[in-house]
Amino acid sequence: EIVMTQSPATLSVSPGERATLSCRASQSVSSNLAWYQQKPGQAPRLLIYGASTRATGIPARFSGSGSGTEFTLTISSLQSEDFAVYYCQQYNNGGGTFGQGTKLEIK
Amino acid sequence: QVQLQESGPGLVKPSQTLSLTCTVSGGSISSGGYYWSWIRQHPGKGLEWIGYIYYSGSTYYNPSLKSRVTISVDTSKNQFSLKLSSVTAADTAVYYCARGAAADYWGQGTLVTVSS
Repeated sequence: EIVMTQSPATLSVSPGERATLSCRASQSVSSNLAWYQQKPGQAPRLLIYGASTRATGIPARFSGSGSGTEFTLTISSLQSEDFAVYYCQQYNNGGGTFGQGTKLEIK
Repeated sequence: QVQLQESGPGLVKPSQTLSLTCTVSGGSISSGGYYWSWIRQHPGKGLEWIGYIYYSGSTYYNPSLKSRVTISVDTSKNQFSLKLSSVTAADTAVYYCARGAAADYWGQGTLVTVSS
């Protein structure tokens, strides 16, 4: 089973600054990696799939990169609505493991 | 606009089988191109992938739940379902259905509590 590890667990950033979230897979998942945003009481929202493709309606300040085992979600110029929990998920070869999440909080 | 809605009992007794159905509207499961997923979230915790199914019936399950999980599809009703057997309190969670292995549309989620 592929294990997904996100870092850091909590990230404190000021509005307007850049946030960089990391996700590591225990073995290669190629580019079969998605990022989600979840706010309290809501279902997750797909941000990125295929490691770097923005989902429909996702602002350009969200970008994803990486392949194999190392992935990054970058949010440039944080807006107030971006403070939430972020999850990565691999869906390679019939899998679906999520990372444990990174909480992005206001500094 | 694709919409998904979970339905089923909110309370299940220990050792029994949890059964949930996801009804899809605004799109056809049998049109292909997507897996249909079940994901859960324990209270205050992260997301846990349960498994997904293709319209043809091909399934993939989380290895840690595989022995207790069955996901099925009913294309005539545009629904897919989850059965989780031998439940314990550890299966208390919000259960989500979603479209895709990378899930772009989600149901609102339904809380299932396992308790006697």
